[in-house]
Amino acid sequence: DTGVSQDPRHKITKRGQNVTFRCDPISEHNRLYWYRQTLGQGPEFLTYFQNEAQLEKSRLLSDRFSAERPKGSFSTLEIQRTEQGDSAMYLCASSMTGGTEAFFGQGTRLTVV
Amino acid sequence: QKEVEQNSGPLSVPEGAIASLNCTYSDRGSQSFFWYRQYSGKSPELIMSIYSNGDKEDGRFTAQLNKASQYVSLLIRDSQPSDSATYLCAVNPSNFGNEKLTFGTGTRLTIIP
Repeated sequence: DTGVSQDPRHKITKRGQNVTFRCDPISEHNRLYWYRQTLGQGPEFLTYFQNEAQLEKSRLLSDRFSAERPKGSFSTLEIQRTEQGDSAMYLCASSMTGGTEAFFGQGTRLTVV
Repeated sequence: QKEVEQNSGPLSVPEGAIASLNCTYSDRGSQSFFWYRQYSGKSPELIMSIYSNGDKEDGRFTAQLNKASQYVSLLIRDSQPSDSATYLCAVNPSNFGNEKLTFGTGTRLTIIP
């Protein structure tokens, strides 16, 4: 296993369009996290899963955002009706359990034009 | 008060010297602490984890934790130009129902040849 994999690496979309990102965690990891990072800021928590259960969702996350991890393996993050303010790096990380080392994928850079 | 605070820098250190990076956190119940290195345009890379008071050394890196003072630091000995990056401090409360990583805004480190 080569680590956390994210797809696509880059996405340019027009305002109002829907986008979906995929994350494949390290295979033995139960925890999967989604973060968003904008320039000059640290990663901002969006949501996390323990296996297929979504345990927490940030209050900052609007209803336009949804995440799934249907079989406890890969996860998808969908943004509906994208806005320019959604432009950011979307990062996925996984860990064995809560509180242990989390490893990040290479991220998906979203640009909304 | 921010949950995790770091001096944003930039911090400039001559090549071969010791770079010292500091982080404070607000949640006294936090149990797990991590340092990530992030090169410009790339995703965070885990370089150190620490869970108990004291020092933890790994090669040129030493993490220091003082839970009483709610303080974590990272020392980089024999700094190299390749150490130039943003260093992110991350804290995990590790309490059931609140097990997400919270990041500081990062300290930008520049090693001067």
